[in-house]
Amino acid sequence: DAMVIQNPRYQVTQFGKPVTLSCSQTLNHNVMYWYQQKSSQAPKLLFHYYDKDFNNEADTPDNFQSRRPNTSFCFLDIRSPGLGDAAMYLCATSRERTGVSEQFFGPGTRLTVL
Amino acid sequence: GESVGLHLPTLSVQEGDNSIINCAYSNSASDYFIWYKQESGKGPQFIIDIRSNMDKRQGQRVTVLLNKTVKHLSLQIAATQPGDSAVYFCYTGMRFGAGTRLTVKP
Repeated sequence: DAMVIQNPRYQVTQFGKPVTLSCSQTLNHNVMYWYQQKSSQAPKLLFHYYDKDFNNEADTPDNFQSRRPNTSFCFLDIRSPGLGDAAMYLCATSRERTGVSEQFFGPGTRLTVL
Repeated sequence: GESVGLHLPTLSVQEGDNSIINCAYSNSASDYFIWYKQESGKGPQFIIDIRSNMDKRQGQRVTVLLNKTVKHLSLQIAATQPGDSAVYFCYTGMRFGAGTRLTVKP
C-alpha cells in the first residue's frame, strides 16, 4: 500500500546530541511536511518542501533543519536537542500545496530527550 | 496571523448519539477546510474536506458545515460509535485548530 513511513517510531537521545528523524513516501507527492506535536496540542508546522523548494516557518528554531535528497525521502535534523524538544514528530505529504489538497500523515516518531 | 480555534476542548457522548464538533477560524481568505481524526499514537487521518464555494458536504456518517459569514466550521458525526473516540482537528491554510477530544461512552 502507498503510504508515509517514519523511522524510527521511537527515538531516545541525550541532551545536546544531534538526532535525525527519517520519513519516506511511496505516494510520489510533491510536498512533504514536518510537524512537531506535543501532548494534548495540535501539530505545529516546522517547515515543508514543495519539490526541492524549502519553506521554513518563521517561528521554527534554528536548531531544526531539514533535508530532502529526492522525492521520496525527507529528514528532520535536530542539531542540539533540548528537553523542550521532546515531542511527537509527524511527517506528512500532499499532492499539491496545502490549501488545495489533503495531507497524508505518517505514524510519527516520538522523541525522548534525556 | 491565522487563528484557528475550537469552542470545546472535550466532548463526551453516548454511543449511538450524534456528535457535533465546532471550529472557528479568523482568516476570511481561507478557501479550503479539512477535518482530521487523530487516534492515540497515530498520525492525523483525513475525514472530510470542504471548499469555500460550498456550505455543506456529506460523507459516510459525517457532515461538514461551513458558515463563511461567521467563519465557523462544524463536523457532525451521526450515530457515534466507540471507534470514533479520538481527537478531531479542523485544518485551514497551514494551521491546525486546537483539537477536540471526543469520548464515546458505551
